[in-house]
Amino acid sequence: GQNIDQPTEMTATEGAIVQINCTYQTSGFNGLFWYQQHAGEAPTFLSYNVLDGLEEKGRFSSFLSRSKGYSYLLLKELQMKDSASYLCAVMDSNYQLIWGAGTKLIIKP
Amino acid sequence: GAVVSQHPSRVICKSGTSVKIECRSLDFQATTMFWYRQFPKQSLMLMATSNEGSKATYEQGVEKDKFLINHASLTLSTLTVTSAHPEDSSFYICSLITGPRVGMGETQYFGPGTRLLVL
Repeated sequence: GQNIDQPTEMTATEGAIVQINCTYQTSGFNGLFWYQQHAGEAPTFLSYNVLDGLEEKGRFSSFLSRSKGYSYLLLKELQMKDSASYLCAVMDSNYQLIWGAGTKLIIKP
Repeated sequence: GAVVSQHPSRVICKSGTSVKIECRSLDFQATTMFWYRQFPKQSLMLMATSNEGSKATYEQGVEKDKFLINHASLTLSTLTVTSAHPEDSSFYICSLITGPRVGMGETQYFGPGTRLLVL
């Protein structure tokens, strides 16, 4: 079956760095997405990786290793507004998005 | 600015009634729209893929007679929850892609979601 695993919850301190991991097993691979979702709101796009390596976008970076079925989202200089759920999603060979359950990130002052 | 709008944002209804949720594309002609459902503290679940001018494709386990989808134009798709029950209470989100398929995250846009509470 198809499976996306990410931690349920993480806690970090304002100003620090946090890494959210995602491992996946899917039938085929056409890219991995990270989305941010604040409580009660729809997800917003953060990043897309289809090739191995690190993609950097300001305070957020995303890494992909296709051979390991592994990705991480790195958040630097954490701000209180970064408190949200972070969803990992993989596009399979049929271009269907397989969603992880999300990681709830709690930022403490 | 917003690319996708949903109406209503919140709805409370009695058990047994039907509820229609509209998803509008504001800037693009969307041939394909997706409908998701999200229960509290759970992942997004794709319910169906809505194709303009043709029947929607439903995911396994989703009752097509209960969740009626109409994609009559390139800018509007509607989801009607028929004979709603308390277990249908959820957050319903639509999204659209601006290209032929979701190849890049930038081409997928989500609506703000509709929170349905069935009493």
